[in-house]
Order: sequence, then structure tokens, then C-alpha cells
Amino acid sequence: DGGITQSPKYLFRKEGQNVTLSCEQNLNHDAMYWYRQDPGQGLRLIYYSQIVNDFQKGDIAEGYSVSREKKESFPLTVTSAQKNPTAFYLCASSQRVAGFPYNEQFFGPGTRLTVL
Amino acid sequence: GEDVEQSLFLSVREGDSSVINCTYTDSSSTYLYWYKQEPGAGLQLLTYIFSNMDMKQDQRLTVLLNKKDKHLSLRIADTQTGDSAIYFCAATGTASKLTFGTGTRLQVTL
Repeated sequence: DGGITQSPKYLFRKEGQNVTLSCEQNLNHDAMYWYRQDPGQGLRLIYYSQIVNDFQKGDIAEGYSVSREKKESFPLTVTSAQKNPTAFYLCASSQRVAGFPYNEQFFGPGTRLTVL
Repeated sequence: GEDVEQSLFLSVREGDSSVINCTYTDSSSTYLYWYKQEPGAGLQLLTYIFSNMDMKQDQRLTVLLNKKDKHLSLRIADTQTGDSAIYFCAATGTASKLTFGTGTRLQVTL
């Protein structure tokens, strides 16, 4: 049963603590993405990775870090430098074909992070 | 960069048609997508349209694309309570990125 898993579904942390959100996919997709969702603001891209051991900043990368050591895993760390980390975080993946712009992204169920 | 805009809220009665609108700025966007998000869940792709098409129909869903005005719409025929969700328009951006709109919350009333 292929798909993307994110854990945990709900996460609570104290202000000033780093926290790592998990994202795993078994779709054999090359590309993976992290988005942040806030009410009325849609999805904003934090980081993305097109291939193992490579990743790029998205539109709101400050205060976040990622790694891509394995094709199936793309964990996101929310650091204490992120000023307003409470949000819903979504991970996605896609299979890109070089030179072909179609980019259907498959999403995980999301992690709701609350910083107290 | 690409900018994608949608209205935030739409309310329709069960059985009526819903029309959700979206505008985008990058005329080179080759694919445009509609995603659905149910409460507390991730997004699911509903349908997409290639930029050389004007219309695409898939069961109750009709997508219209006006490239000149950079306007995309999603029509849901015979709207049901199960269609209540947030609908996101997205456009192919640079590299591997998609640009998403703010999302339109569709409320279906009895």
C-alpha cells in the first residue's frame, strides 16, 4: 500500500525547543517537499529536494532545516529560530521526468505542531 | 515569481453547482491543478488541465481555462455535502515547484 506517512499527527513543544517532523514515502519518488499551512494563507513552500543528498530553500526556509540522506525520507527540523512555528505542516512527493513539466504531488496527512 | 489567487469562501446549497475561481500570473505555467483538502488531512489531486486545453470534464467536475485572462475555474455539478472541503488551485512554477493559491473553503448547506 504505497503512500506518504507523517508522524506524529499532533505535536506539542515548548518555546525554544527544536523539533523534528518525520516524512516517509514508499512511492519511489525522487522529489520531496515540505509546506506550511496557516489559515487563509494557503500552502507555503519551506524546502524541497529533487534528489538524494540535495535540497533547496523554498519561500519561507528561515528557522527550518532538512536533510535527504535516503530517497524515502525527508525530515524537517523546526528550530528555535523560527519565530512563529505553530502551524500545520504538510509533506509531499512527486515523480519528475526530466524536461516534462507535469508535477502531480502526493501529500501526507500532515502534522499539527503547537508551540506552547 | 508566480502568484495564484482565489477567493476564500463559497457557500452553496446541496444539489446546486459550485464554481470556484482562480487567477494566476505566470503565462508560461504549463499545467494547472485542482486539489481538495478535507478537514485535518493532506491534499488530494482532483484534476488538472494542460495549458493548451480550454476545458476538461471528469464526471461532476469541469475545469475551464482562459489563458488570455489567466483564469481557471472548477465547476462541481450537483454539489453534495461530501464536497465540503478546501479547494486549492496550483500552477506549475519553476524547477520542481508548484505555487498554490490560498484555498477556497466550500460550504455545502442542506
